[in-house]
Amino acid sequence: EDQVTQSPEALRLQEGESSSLNCSYTVSGLRGLFWYRQDPGKGPEFLFTLYSAGEEKEKERLKATLTKKESFLHITAPKPEDSATYLCAVQAFPDTGNQFYFGTGTSLTVIP
Amino acid sequence: GAGVSQSPRYKVAKRGQDVALRCDPISGHVSLFWYQQALGQGPEFLTYFQNEAQLDKSGLPSDRFFAERPEGSVSTLKIQRTQQEDSAVYLCASSLDRGRNTGELFFGEGSRLTVL
Repeated sequence: EDQVTQSPEALRLQEGESSSLNCSYTVSGLRGLFWYRQDPGKGPEFLFTLYSAGEEKEKERLKATLTKKESFLHITAPKPEDSATYLCAVQAFPDTGNQFYFGTGTSLTVIP
Repeated sequence: GAGVSQSPRYKVAKRGQDVALRCDPISGHVSLFWYQQALGQGPEFLTYFQNEAQLDKSGLPSDRFFAERPEGSVSTLKIQRTQQEDSAVYLCASSLDRGRNTGELFFGEGSRLTVL
């Protein structure tokens, strides 16, 4: 069964304190791995797509990396406005359902 | 509008009532998804449309849930005889294609359903 597991569930960082969020996945075949950000009371907002092991994507203070079993979202020198829940999702082969399987997310709080 | 619009934003229903949740996707977006998000959980897939065709409804939890997109734009998720376990945020997302190429889904702000 396809599964996505995110850790930690919650993370509190001081402003400027870099860290990483983890997304482990078990799928029959990975079509793509996606990172989203979700603010309270809002829908998820797309951040990155990764397709193959070794791939990296960057956007401002965020960098996403992918291996054959997991992805990391690295946050460098975070600011309070980076506080949100970060969701990981995968899309698997065979592409029978167009389903994006989401993890439960990591709730990040950045303290000024 | 510029984004995905959902209504109502909040709905309180008595157990046993029927509810209808509306999604207005971004104009021209072919694909439309419905997700259910319980408190503290990630979104869970309910159903998928490509234009007006409902290609996947494997995530609908029971036959009380029904979705339609008759003209390939606006979609409605209907829940009949609501139960307390139906309480959740219902998210609608659209994408220009099947979402296969970029994984970029555009989500609405959701409809929060509370069943008393």
